[in-house]
Amino acid sequence: QKEVEQDPGPLSVPEGAIVSLNCTYSNSAFQYFMWYRQYSRKGPELLMYTYSSGNKEDGRFTAQVDKSSKYISLFIRDSQPSDSATYLCATWNRDDKIIFGKGTRLHILP
Amino acid sequence: DAGVIQSPRHEVTEMGQEVTLRCKPISGHDYLFWYRQTMMRGLELLIYFNNNVPIDDSGMPEDRFSAKMPNASFSTLKIQPSEPRDSAVYFCASSLELLNTEAFFGQGTRLTVV
Repeated sequence: QKEVEQDPGPLSVPEGAIVSLNCTYSNSAFQYFMWYRQYSRKGPELLMYTYSSGNKEDGRFTAQVDKSSKYISLFIRDSQPSDSATYLCATWNRDDKIIFGKGTRLHILP
Repeated sequence: DAGVIQSPRHEVTEMGQEVTLRCKPISGHDYLFWYRQTMMRGLELLIYFNNNVPIDDSGMPEDRFSAKMPNASFSTLKIQPSEPRDSAVYFCASSLELLNTEAFFGQGTRLTVV
């Protein structure tokens, strides 16, 4: 079992819809959970990170971690065509190195 | 600051040749990371430095891979000899902290080994 699993997509949704992106992870020792956005032929950029369980909101983006089920989510409200990108989840704890999911390709249809 | 600068942007080389990828981190960042991204394996951390010292190279796939950071403003990732399975996009990133919450990635070097 891979340490971080992520559906590769592509996921296509109409503009204005709510987008839900998800990951599962296997190591209960992970403490930090991150979401990165990567545009085509660009490097990843950090969108949000959370520590332990709970929600974190930043504008149209909400990150959610459920440690009991080892489930990570990113919600995008009022999705825009500019949100079209690949979204990578990642996990990390201080005794180990950062582990990335393979990414989900998201297309927002105008 | 211009951000993390990588060169070259694209590299095509023949199997068996030596390849050197270069990175200039953001000034003042103490951590530098080298990553590799492929469709099959996703984004993988290869090695990272703290204050020019290699801290964790457990992600380096083989002895053919080596990385150096001779000073705070320059790092190289070398593959010798290169093989077709090394074809990937290699990213360099730098940050103030290990956690990477403020990490900035370069544009990447797309390496093709034929």
